[in-house]
Amino acid sequence: AQSVAQPEDQVNVAEGNPLTVKCTYSVSGNPYLFWYVQYPNRGLQFLLKYITGDNLVKGSYGFEAEFNKSQTSFHLKKPSALVSDSALYFCAVRDIPKSGAGSYQLTFGKGTKLSVIP
Amino acid sequence: EPEVTQTPSHQVTQMGQEVILRCVPISNHLYFYWYRQILGQKVEFLVSFYNNEISEKSEIFDDQFSVERPDGSNFTLKIRSTKLEDSAMYFCASRLLKSSYNEQFFGPGTRLTVL
Repeated sequence: AQSVAQPEDQVNVAEGNPLTVKCTYSVSGNPYLFWYVQYPNRGLQFLLKYITGDNLVKGSYGFEAEFNKSQTSFHLKKPSALVSDSALYFCAVRDIPKSGAGSYQLTFGKGTKLSVIP
Repeated sequence: EPEVTQTPSHQVTQMGQEVILRCVPISNHLYFYWYRQILGQKVEFLVSFYNNEISEKSEIFDDQFSVERPDGSNFTLKIRSTKLEDSAMYFCASRLLKSSYNEQFFGPGTRLTVL
């Protein structure tokens, strides 16, 4: 069974500084990895995904994530944080179908609250 | 930009009552999901639905739960007899089937409170 760990409940960063939100995963096959963001009273919004190819994936709002197979990590990064980036961030891994066409359900980490301080 | 919508945003119910949570997926999406998030815990998969039938379900999705697509637009989750531990945020999601690599789009959630 696949799993995702987000080791930090909260990350605080000053506006303008680089930010990193950590994620490690465990799957039995090839990982398909996602980052979602949740703003207050909103649903989970897709940020970016890694399926295959380049280890550095670029996504929405200037975010990027680096896939590291040897460390089984998929950390979310942004070179310069904005106050508006403050939100809850979820890392997720997609399942390997049990048979045939699977439903591709997502397994989520518990989320990391990012606070960007002006 | 098309969005997944969910109603109501907050539902309060008494233990033992039935509740129906409603979702309108993105119109050309064909795969639908329900997830839930108990306060302070992970987002957990409940069930997936494709071609008018359940595709997969988790161990959480027991006989008290059911899903339905009663018309061409709505996708509902019914909890037959709610328990205190059903209190959670319930998220609906949909996915375009074209590629298995498509991401899921989530609604804003329904907060269910069971008293």
